[in-house]
Amino acid sequence: DAKTTQPPSMDCAEGRAANLPCNHSTISGNEYVYWYRQIHSQGPQYIIHGLKNNETNEMASLIITEDRKSSTLILPHATLRDTAVYYCIVRATYAGGTSYGKLTFGQGTILTVHP
Amino acid sequence: GAGVSQTPSNKVTEKGKYVELRCDPISGHTALYWYRQSLGQGPEFLIYFQGTGAADDSGLPNDRFFAVRPEGSVSTLKIQRTERGDSAVYLCASSPQGQSSSDEQFFGPGTRLTVL
Repeated sequence: DAKTTQPPSMDCAEGRAANLPCNHSTISGNEYVYWYRQIHSQGPQYIIHGLKNNETNEMASLIITEDRKSSTLILPHATLRDTAVYYCIVRATYAGGTSYGKLTFGQGTILTVHP
Repeated sequence: GAGVSQTPSNKVTEKGKYVELRCDPISGHTALYWYRQSLGQGPEFLIYFQGTGAADDSGLPNDRFFAVRPEGSVSTLKIQRTERGDSAVYLCASSPQGQSSSDEQFFGPGTRLTVL
């Protein structure tokens, strides 16, 4: 399975944009980039995913580099409730891909949003 | 609608005992996943069901761990002869696999297992 590398921790001021980087240099052509987050004492929560185009939803934006070896999750206006561990995961979304089905979590990035 | 539910929320047992952890997925979700999370670590995959069958059980650490999903809905994770190292939060997730482009996994709150 493709591995991801994320910084262990980041800080962000409330109301500012939080930009969380992720390296996935061994990603395969059939693997998507997924982002989940885990707020303390809760199960992980899906944020967004993408293949090669930039994606945006109500929670965040995902910017994937043209060579697909890295990506950035952007929370445009961080709030205190965005304090969580953010996980970047690569995963195939069709049967036959070795990373299909399961999510392989790394250590993630602890994002702390402060007032 | 109801999300993924897991029971019990907390389980304390003694070394060597048998435990069962239950997961009720979101209605209609065909895929169900078990993960476990040790303190300070990301969740670790255990097993994944597609319907009633285990599609991938490569994450089960040894033969003391077993999971079933007999009717393609509720799943039970069974741990025999528990060891202190089994202490963790056991997370269950479900997804409407094949019915959603995101194939998002919805997680339950977890069962915190403590083996004394």
